[in-house]
Order: sequence, then structure tokens, then C-alpha cells
Amino acid sequence: AQKVTQAQTEISVVEKEDVTLDCVYETRDTTYYLFWYKQPPSGELVFLIRRNSFDEQNEISGRYSWNFQKSTSSFNFTITASQVVDSAVYFCALSDESYSSASKIIFGSGTRLSIRP
Amino acid sequence: EAQVTQNPRYLITVTGKKLTVTCSQNMNHEYMSWYRQDPGLGLRQIYYSMNVEVTDKGDVPEGYKVSRKEKRNFPLILESPSPNQTSLYFCASWASGGTGELFFGEGSRLTVL
Repeated sequence: AQKVTQAQTEISVVEKEDVTLDCVYETRDTTYYLFWYKQPPSGELVFLIRRNSFDEQNEISGRYSWNFQKSTSSFNFTITASQVVDSAVYFCALSDESYSSASKIIFGSGTRLSIRP
Repeated sequence: EAQVTQNPRYLITVTGKKLTVTCSQNMNHEYMSWYRQDPGLGLRQIYYSMNVEVTDKGDVPEGYKVSRKEKRNFPLILESPSPNQTSLYFCASWASGGTGELFFGEGSRLTVL
């Protein structure tokens, strides 16, 4: 069965610190997709990134970077030089190869990140 | 503007009083889904739909019904709400063969007394 574990329930850091949010997944599929979503205090869910299982290249987008390692079944998210606006709940999610056929998309329990000024 | 619209955004009701949460998307997406968000449990899928008249159960379908009579609409029906259905509900839609990005509604906070 598919499973996504975000072991860090809450993280609090001081502004400008780097912070890494962990995501560990379980799946028997050889083709799958991983996602990160952000939920700011206003409550909406914002898409950040999607990676497929065949693309293990790390990705960087501004202060955000993602480290995908199939060997450890992890898809970690790092924010460099954190800012107060990064405060949010972050969700990691997993879908199998048929996600476009409305297969189940499994979300982790989320990590609440608080950035202190 | 591309969007997913849910109504109502907030609702307080009593046990057993049937209610419907509407969801509408204007992006012509084939796929739609309902999630509930509870503290410590993340988002759990209730039902999803692959297209008109095609739906299937997610992880927590008990106590809920859905229908997909039109491509743009995917209402969530609680025939006899109970207090354990107090939650924050999200509707999402996405396109076939797209980037995989789910477009979420703003959420509907439901309280069942």
C-alpha cells in the first residue's frame, strides 16, 4: 500500500535560517509521482512541485530546493534563507503512474513550519 | 480566471440534517476529487471522479455521496451528518495528461453539532 510519512509535525526556526522538511514514501509501483503543496495561514493549497520516479535530479527554484532519492524513498524539501512568508503547513503527496486516471493521491500528514522574525 | 469554487465556505449544522457542499471548476478538467483535512491526519481522499457519471471511493467514503452529472460540477452530499464529519473539506480538479497539479477550492469548514 502507498504511504507518505512526514515525521516532523512542527518546525520553528528563526528567519534567515535554512530548514529542511522531510518526506518518506512507500510504494510498490515503479512509476510514481511525488508532489509538494503549501498551505499558508489563509488556508488555500498551493502547488509547489511534481517529480516523477524516473527523474532523480535535484531541483532548485529560488530559495526552494528538492532532493529526491529513490534509494532512501525520500523527497525532501529545503528552504534556504527562510522568510516569515514561508510560514505554512507543507504537504508531501504520492500518486501512482495512473494519477492522470484519477487514481488515489495520498497526502502526508503535513509539517507546520513557523518562521520567527 | 481558472478556479475551483466551493460553497458554502462555512457551515454549522446539526446531526442528521442533510447537506450538500457544491464544487464547480471552469477549467474543463476531467478529474475531480473531494478531500477532508483533519489535524494530524493531513488530507484524506473521500471520493474522486474520472469523468461524467464515473466516480469511485477514496480512503474515507463512509457517510458521503457524490455525483458527477456535469463535467464542471462535483457536489459532496452528507445524507445524515454526524459530529465525526466535522472537518475542513477541499474539492480539487486536474487535467488528464497535464502537469499533475491539483487545483483546489478554498475549502469548506463544516461543523456538525
